[in-house]
Amino acid sequence: TQLLEQSPQFLSIQEGENLTVYCNSSSVFSSLQWYRQEPGEGPVLLVTVVTGGEVKKLKRLTFQFGDARKDSSLHITAAQPGDTGLYLCAGGSNTDKLIFGTGTRLQVFP
Amino acid sequence: EADIYQTPRYLVIGTGKKITLECSQTMGHDKMYWYQQDPGMELHLIHYSYGVNSTEKGDLSSESTVSRIRTEHFPLTLESARPSHTSQYLCASSESYFYNSPLHFGNGTRLTVT
Repeated sequence: TQLLEQSPQFLSIQEGENLTVYCNSSSVFSSLQWYRQEPGEGPVLLVTVVTGGEVKKLKRLTFQFGDARKDSSLHITAAQPGDTGLYLCAGGSNTDKLIFGTGTRLQVFP
Repeated sequence: EADIYQTPRYLVIGTGKKITLECSQTMGHDKMYWYQQDPGMELHLIHYSYGVNSTEKGDLSSESTVSRIRTEHFPLTLESARPSHTSQYLCASSESYFYNSPLHFGNGTRLTVT
């Protein structure tokens, strides 16, 4: 069974701080997607990474796919209250279903 | 602006009632999904569909059933609701079966069974 463990589970920081969220597995994935879910809404796709070692940037967010395609990280620079939400990674493989991670709940205080 | 719609947003019902959670999408996507999510927790796949007249059970066992008579519509039914069914139910669709294809989610139905 493929599992994706995210850490930390909870993160509470002040505006302006930097943070990194991790998504780890013992399995190899063909792709990794990152979603953000705000309270009362469904998850929204942030990015998809498909190549080992790939780095993608989305404004203050930097996503990296591990060289062995078993892990990924999300780094946020100078966090803002608008970054508050649940961050979910999701791995794709040769099956037709995404495997979702355990989630990281981020709270950014002004 | 959402292209995938779920109704109702909130539902509080008594034990034993039959309920149907509605999900519709306007994107013409063949693949649709139902996920169950406890507040702030991970998503568990309970049902999915490849297209009209196709339904499959997901990884998490569920007493709910689904149907797919039209491409755009994927309702979920609970014949007899119980307190253990209290959760958030998220509907999603994707453009293709390819593993990179992103999911488009609705805003969910928060179900409380008393």
